Amino acid sequence: EAQVTQNPRYLITVTGKKLTVTCSQNMNHEYMSWYRQDPGLGLRQIYYSMNVEVTDKGDVPEGYKVSRKEKRNFPLILESPSPNQTSLYFCAAGDGETQYFGPGTRLLVL
Amino acid sequence: GEDVEQSLFLSVREGDSSVINCTYTDSSSTYLYWYKQEPGAGLQLLTYIFSNMDMKQDQRLTVLLNKKDKHLSLRIADTQTGDSAIYFCAERTDSWGKLQFGAGTQVVVTP
Repeated sequence: EAQVTQNPRYLITVTGKKLTVTCSQNMNHEYMSWYRQDPGLGLRQIYYSMNVEVTDKGDVPEGYKVSRKEKRNFPLILESPSPNQTSLYFCAAGDGETQYFGPGTRLLVL
Repeated sequence: GEDVEQSLFLSVREGDSSVINCTYTDSSSTYLYWYKQEPGAGLQLLTYIFSNMDMKQDQRLTVLLNKKDKHLSLRIADTQTGDSAIYFCAERTDSWGKLQFGAGTQVVVTP
């Protein structure tokens, strides 16, 4: 079964404490990306990756980092989280025609 | 920049047809998508249409694309309570797959 998995699904943290949200796909897709969803704004792209070791900024990259050391994994790193990064985060993997989304990670930064 | 707009709310009676509308601005969009998000869940790809098509039908779902007006619609026939969700329209704006999303339309199906 084609899957995009994210961990953790829920996370509460405090300002400044580094965290990583993992994303993994089993579809061997080259394209992966991270989005954040905020009420009334839809989804906005944070970062994307076209292949291993190839990443680029999306529309809202400030405060985030990513890495793509393996094709299947695309972790999202918040070096110093702030309250304005409280959001619902989605990882996606695509084949150039379709994109499949993970179940989401709900993050609360206090 | 690109902008995708949708109405925020739609109420429909069970058994009726629902029509969700979307307008987009990037005329170079190659694919347009409809995603469904149920409460507390991720995004489920419902259907998509390539920009050289006018219509695509998939069981109860019909997608209409008017490229001249940059208008996309999703019709759900015989709407059921399980269709209650937020529906997102999205356009692909680059060759690699970046999606530009609308804010989503909350569809509420009443008995």
